Amino acid sequence: EMLMTQSPATLSVSPGERATLSCRASQSVSSNLAWYQQKPGQAPRLLIYGASTRATGVPARFSGSGSGTEFTLTVSSLQSEDFAIYYCLQYNNWPYTFGQGTKLEIK
Amino acid sequence: QVQLVQSGAEVRKPGASVNVSCKASGYTFTSYYIHWVRQAPGQGLEWMGVINPGGGSTKYTQKFQGRLTMTRDTSTSTIYMELSSLRSEDTAVYYCARDVLGASRGFDYWGQGTLVSVSS
Repeated sequence: EMLMTQSPATLSVSPGERATLSCRASQSVSSNLAWYQQKPGQAPRLLIYGASTRATGVPARFSGSGSGTEFTLTVSSLQSEDFAIYYCLQYNNWPYTFGQGTKLEIK
Repeated sequence: QVQLVQSGAEVRKPGASVNVSCKASGYTFTSYYIHWVRQAPGQGLEWMGVINPGGGSTKYTQKFQGRLTMTRDTSTSTIYMELSSLRSEDTAVYYCARDVLGASRGFDYWGQGTLVSVSS
């Protein structure tokens, strides 16, 4: 089973600053990686698929990059609504696997 | 508009089974896979399996082999997820989510989640 490792577990950033979240795969997943945002009591929301394509309606301050085993989600200027938990998901191999999540909190 | 509407919360005793439904609307039912993802209290997301609503083919993660069954009813555009031999560790919110057939574009729409509680 593919292991997805996200870092850091918690990231403290001030509003208006940039946040960089990482996701590493135990073997190559090509560009078959998605990022999700989840707020308390809500279903996850798709942000990025194909490692770098923003989903419909996602603000341009969210960007994804990487391929193979190393991926990054960047939020260029944090807004109050961006503080949440972020998960990566690989869909290159069965079974699909999520990372354990990064909690983005207000500094 | 696209909607995935799940059935309500369930409480079961250990050893019992639970059946959660996910009713799709607002799009062509057979053009999107339906995945099931669960989240234990305070924990991360866990992918469970997927069904192709067109042909009914399924794929489950090994962890649930023998306990998990996904079916569909094309006449009502509804997917069913049955988990049997429940144990306390199965207490979680269960989500359905869709993904387009062919080249994946991620799980773009999710159901609201169904809390399944397993307790004696």
